[in-house]
Amino acid sequence: DAGVIQSPRHEVTEMGQEVTLRCKPISGHNSLFWYRQTMMRGLELLIYFNNNVPIDDSGMPEDRFSAKMPNASFSTLKIQPSEPRDSAVYFCASSPETDSAYNSPLHFGNGTRLTVT
Amino acid sequence: RKEVEQDPGPFNVPEGATVAFNCTYSNSASQSFFWYRQDCRKEPKLLMSVYSSGNEDGRFTAQLNRASQYISLLIRDSKLSDSATYLCVVNIGYIDDMRFGAGTRLTVKP
Repeated sequence: DAGVIQSPRHEVTEMGQEVTLRCKPISGHNSLFWYRQTMMRGLELLIYFNNNVPIDDSGMPEDRFSAKMPNASFSTLKIQPSEPRDSAVYFCASSPETDSAYNSPLHFGNGTRLTVT
Repeated sequence: RKEVEQDPGPFNVPEGATVAFNCTYSNSASQSFFWYRQDCRKEPKLLMSVYSSGNEDGRFTAQLNRASQYISLLIRDSKLSDSATYLCVVNIGYIDDMRFGAGTRLTVKP
């Protein structure tokens, strides 16, 4: 089985440009998560979806950030306009549905390393 | 108080040593707990789930203390290859709301 697939692996862009990060979750997984990782703040949950519906976007730092999940096999995280402080590694993760009180673990993609100059 | 807290370390230990990490969490209603391992410039990978009764996987033992709201990870007979950052993960609020600790960096030296 293919794991979580993210693209691009690396993105270098200039301040003010639009950036779109893409994620394909593992087939059959119902929950999808976007995390951002920096040295200073560690792994931060930005937003997560369940069955393509955004459940909690309280971690999205600003209106410049938006995320969509148009179908079960694709999600995007968009930053417009980008700023140097957005430089980080962005991870997408997915997990299968559970009907119990306990979560299934997260499966991470390789991440997108974003540099905004 | 942060939702999930870990001692960032670093922990520098010799090969063969036993090392333990703790992770505290703030939400007494949390039900799901995991330990992840992250190597430099790589994605986090599941190391093990943490069950109420405690569980063991080879040299690794995970425990949950609900009364004091912490989980622990014990590594016995540490290997050079155990050098990594260890992240604890706890669900906060909604069942799918998974939050990571800042990670504990471990270096095992020959």
